[in-house]
Amino acid sequence: QSALTQPASVSGSPGQSITISCTGTSSDVGGYNYVSWYQQHPGKAPKLMIYEVSNRPSGVSNRFSGSKSGNTASLTISGLQAEDEADYYCSSYTSSSTQGYVFGTGTKVTVL
Amino acid sequence: QVQLVQSGAEVKKPGASVKVSCKASGYTFTSYGISWVRQAPGQGLEWMGWISAYNGNTNYAQKLQGRVTMTTDTSTSTAYMELRSLRSDDTAVYYCARARRNSEDYWGQGTLVTVSS
Repeated sequence: QSALTQPASVSGSPGQSITISCTGTSSDVGGYNYVSWYQQHPGKAPKLMIYEVSNRPSGVSNRFSGSKSGNTASLTISGLQAEDEADYYCSSYTSSSTQGYVFGTGTKVTVL
Repeated sequence: QVQLVQSGAEVKKPGASVKVSCKASGYTFTSYGISWVRQAPGQGLEWMGWISAYNGNTNYAQKLQGRVTMTTDTSTSTAYMELRSLRSDDTAVYYCARARRNSEDYWGQGTLVTVSS
């Protein structure tokens, strides 16, 4: 399975909003509402931020929101804070080759 | 609280095998699956596969088929991932995670596996 495509980096100032895109195909992102987003700080395990396109797990700030249009999913972080600086990965179920899951290439978010 | 505690770091020679354990606590083990994800140094996340803790059904990533085996021991709430015929590009941090609603909601701390001659 080919990795989903994310921008390598996105930056913003504190208080601003940023959006990270995650582009796949009709066999993954576009075909199923099974897109998740993970935050990973250096040296730490990933943390689930969004599941099934737009659902937030308990305890995740409502500054994080997810959406999808066609073959592209998006994660928006509003009211950017210093602690949001991290790597972000999307993931989707895929029906290509053997069914399973595929991650995105990852996006480094920098808070200026 | 939900916890996944993984076994310690391993150093292996090319061609050898490694078996990483993941002990779960704080929830009913057989009600969820366990996913395995790895991350090579400085690289992104790679989904390796999934096992149902309820019935042992597995789904492996195509590129690892034939080299990976995932198992569970329900008596100890522990999941295992064995990778055989190790190569240098298998050097990575290996994570187990609880699978729920097509995502991974709780993660282990990671196990570094180094493959080097």
